[in-house]
Amino acid sequence: DSGVTQTPKHLITATGQRVTLRCSPRSGDLSVYWYQQSLDQGLQFLIQYYNGEERAKGNILERFSAQQFPDLHSELNLSSLELGDSALYFCASSVAFRGGNNEQFFGPGTRLTVL
Amino acid sequence: GQQLNQSPQSMFIQEGEDVSMNCTSSSIFNTWLWYKQDPGEGPVLLIALYKAGELTSNGRLTAQFGITRKDSFLNISASIPSDVGIYFCAGDNAGGTSYGKLTFGQGTILTVHP
Repeated sequence: DSGVTQTPKHLITATGQRVTLRCSPRSGDLSVYWYQQSLDQGLQFLIQYYNGEERAKGNILERFSAQQFPDLHSELNLSSLELGDSALYFCASSVAFRGGNNEQFFGPGTRLTVL
Repeated sequence: GQQLNQSPQSMFIQEGEDVSMNCTSSSIFNTWLWYKQDPGEGPVLLIALYKAGELTSNGRLTAQFGITRKDSFLNISASIPSDVGIYFCAGDNAGGTSYGKLTFGQGTILTVHP
């Protein structure tokens, strides 16, 4: 158990819908990262937050957004869903966003299926 | 963008054999990480490397941070059936505003025959 929790474990929805994925980082970690894992693209970085502020963006679609709340949990919002958005979505957390210690610990993931 | 080439893509070995896999990059990293992922689960951190030339062990696992900062390898000695899974290398970019973004290799699928 990494200490990172994600809900829900599975999500099945229809095209055009909007969903919210939730992540709670390890106790003491200030940075939260979101990754998407699909068969054809592998593990891809989406976005990072540090202590409530956005710090880095990867190949995140405009239909996707995220935020980190004062209690440090984070939510990833996916809207206008398409079939191609079906994937595993992982949250990871680490102590710091810059410096020597960037060991990221991953949650169990949310499997999103868009029908 | 930056790419990591991980090889081999898959390995089929007998229990007790040693395993070696590696990652190469087109540019330097300041951190290399190795993860293992079981089906339907999140990646689990195995080893973290922070200095060029660093050699680190974790039980039967040994990893090295290449001296050029553009490569890393992972060795597993005396494999056992529970070593089955997908192994990923990941790198953290050096400098700029890229801290925190991990770039992952494509993964090595390891199968161990008892």
